[in-house]
Amino acid sequence: EDQVTQSPEALRLQEGESSSLNCSYTVSGLRGLFWYRQDPGKGPEFLFTLYSAGEEKEKERLKATLTKKESFLHITAPKPEDSATCLCAVSTPTDSWGKLQFGAGTQVVVTP
Amino acid sequence: GAVVSQHPSRVICKSGTSVKIECRSLDFQATTMFWYRQFPKQSLMLMATSNEGSKATYEQGVEKDKFLINHASLTLSTLTVTSAHPEDSSFYICSASTGGHYNEQFFGPGTRLTVL
Repeated sequence: EDQVTQSPEALRLQEGESSSLNCSYTVSGLRGLFWYRQDPGKGPEFLFTLYSAGEEKEKERLKATLTKKESFLHITAPKPEDSATCLCAVSTPTDSWGKLQFGAGTQVVVTP
Repeated sequence: GAVVSQHPSRVICKSGTSVKIECRSLDFQATTMFWYRQFPKQSLMLMATSNEGSKATYEQGVEKDKFLINHASLTLSTLTVTSAHPEDSSFYICSASTGGHYNEQFFGPGTRLTVL
């Protein structure tokens, strides 16, 4: 059975304190791994898509990496506005429409 | 690019009434759209996959007669919650897929439904 597990459940950081979030996956085949951020009461905002092991993508203070078993979202020198729930999702070749399977999310809180 | 809108953003209705939620891809054509439901402090739960011009595919446990989905064009899908009851109160979110090799999903801002 396909599984997506995110850790930690919650992460509390001081402003400027860099850290990483983990998304481990067990799937029959990976078509793509997606990272989103979600603010309370809003829809998820797209961050990155990764397709193959070794791939890395960066956007402002965020960097996502992918191995054959997991992905990391690195937050460098975070600011309070980086507070959000970070969601990881995977799509597999078994679903032709690109259905996503989500992890439970990591709630990130950055304090001044 | 890749903007998805939802309307309304918030709706309050009486028990027994039906509510329609619209999802539009504003700057791209979406062959496939998805409808999710999200409970407080939980992750997204996929309800159904909607393909333009064909019947929606519902996830196990989702009542298709309760949650009617129509995907009449490449930029519009609608979700109608029929005979709504308080237990249907939730945050409903749609997403639209770019298709092709990358097949990325972009999400709407969500609709908060409260049934009294």
